[in-house]
Amino acid sequence: DQQVKQNSPSLSVQEGRISILNCDYTNSMFDYFLWYKKYPAEGPTFLISISSIKDKNEDGRFTVFLNKSAKHLSLHIVPSQPGDSAVYFCAASYMNRDDKIIFGKGTRLHILP
Amino acid sequence: KAGVTQTPRYLIKTRGQQVTLSCSPISGHRSVSWYQQTPGQGLQFLFEYFSETQRNKGNFPGRFSGRQFSNSRSEMNVSTLELGDSALYLCASSLGDRGGGYTFGSGTRLTVV
Repeated sequence: DQQVKQNSPSLSVQEGRISILNCDYTNSMFDYFLWYKKYPAEGPTFLISISSIKDKNEDGRFTVFLNKSAKHLSLHIVPSQPGDSAVYFCAASYMNRDDKIIFGKGTRLHILP
Repeated sequence: KAGVTQTPRYLIKTRGQQVTLSCSPISGHRSVSWYQQTPGQGLQFLFEYFSETQRNKGNFPGRFSGRQFSNSRSEMNVSTLELGDSALYLCASSLGDRGGGYTFGSGTRLTVV
């Protein structure tokens, strides 16, 4: 039973355009969401997070949107740069329960020149 | 400051053997989590240790076990290795809150032949 779903295994975006990575979750108890970025041969690095009390969080070129009613979140990268080519993992956790983080399977983003 | 250190980086074992992987968290971090990453399944949670106690456990068989020492360093053990255990094993440390997510190590690439 996959509680965090990233339905697009890969995504190609032109450099300078907007990249939108999507994530759906099934468990309404999740109250904290994170995005991680992973380059080959490296561990994932934390990118941005959002609490369920918000619907948007912005950090430079990265913005995460949360739609609780649809159990959907998305990561927007504007403008996309070559260094953004990586695998992006969406993750969710229960803030008031434990520290277990549930990850999606990841989306590989290719930024095209 | 030093990041999360995982040793060894690469490991080749034969079926039936057992293996121990090591993780040294960021200084001051008391929570250590272990994840298995495979191409088809993404990042899957194995278990989490906090102050030498296992606080959470994922859905892996009992062949996968771990422990945490008083200095927060953690080890993961897999006994009776199977071919399907070949994966990248990632360790992540955190303070225990969710302000910045987890910091991951670069992982140990285990190949079972």
